[in-house]
Amino acid sequence: AQSVTQPDIHITVSEGASLELRCNYSYGATPYLFWYVQSPGQGLQLLLKYFSGDTLVQGIKGFEAEFKRSQSSFNLRKPSVHWSDAAEYICAVGNTGGFKTIFGAGTRLFVKA
Amino acid sequence: GAVVSQHPSRVICKSGTSVKIECRSLDFQATTMFWYRQFPKQSLMLMATSNEGSKATYEQGVEKDKFLINHASLTLSTLTVTSAHPEDSSFYICSARIGLAGVYEQYFGPGTRLTVT
Repeated sequence: AQSVTQPDIHITVSEGASLELRCNYSYGATPYLFWYVQSPGQGLQLLLKYFSGDTLVQGIKGFEAEFKRSQSSFNLRKPSVHWSDAAEYICAVGNTGGFKTIFGAGTRLFVKA
Repeated sequence: GAVVSQHPSRVICKSGTSVKIECRSLDFQATTMFWYRQFPKQSLMLMATSNEGSKATYEQGVEKDKFLINHASLTLSTLTVTSAHPEDSSFYICSARIGLAGVYEQYFGPGTRLTVT
């Protein structure tokens, strides 16, 4: 069965520091992988997605993620965090049909000055 | 990009009453929409998949008669919480899917905070 694990419930980084949010998945075939960002009381905004091809994916707002099949991971990175990046980040894995996207529990990012 | 709206953004209702939440795709047609429920510090929980013109497919454990879903057009799906109870208080998010089998994307509405008193 599909599953997504985000090991870190929350992370605090200093503004300007680099960021890496972890995501591990379990899926029997090649997964479709997504990262979303959610501000408090808001819906989810797609940051980036991976379907196939280059395993390093570029997204919006300066984020990137790398698919590592051997580690079943799809970690999200940003070289320099801005205070406006403080939010909930949610990793998700989908199947070919797209009808059973499974979401992780999210990692709350705090940014300190 | 594709925009999904939800209305209302917040609603407070009394126990025993019903409340309807609308989900609209504003600039695209969505043959498939999804309804999720989100609990604090937990993953989004898929409640049902809604296909235009047909009955919704509910996930195991979700009461069909309590959470009525109607997808009457390619741009509108509604979720009606009937005979609401305090335990139905939650954040409800809808999503619309673009794309056929294969490459696809989901666009999410801003959510509806339901409080049942």
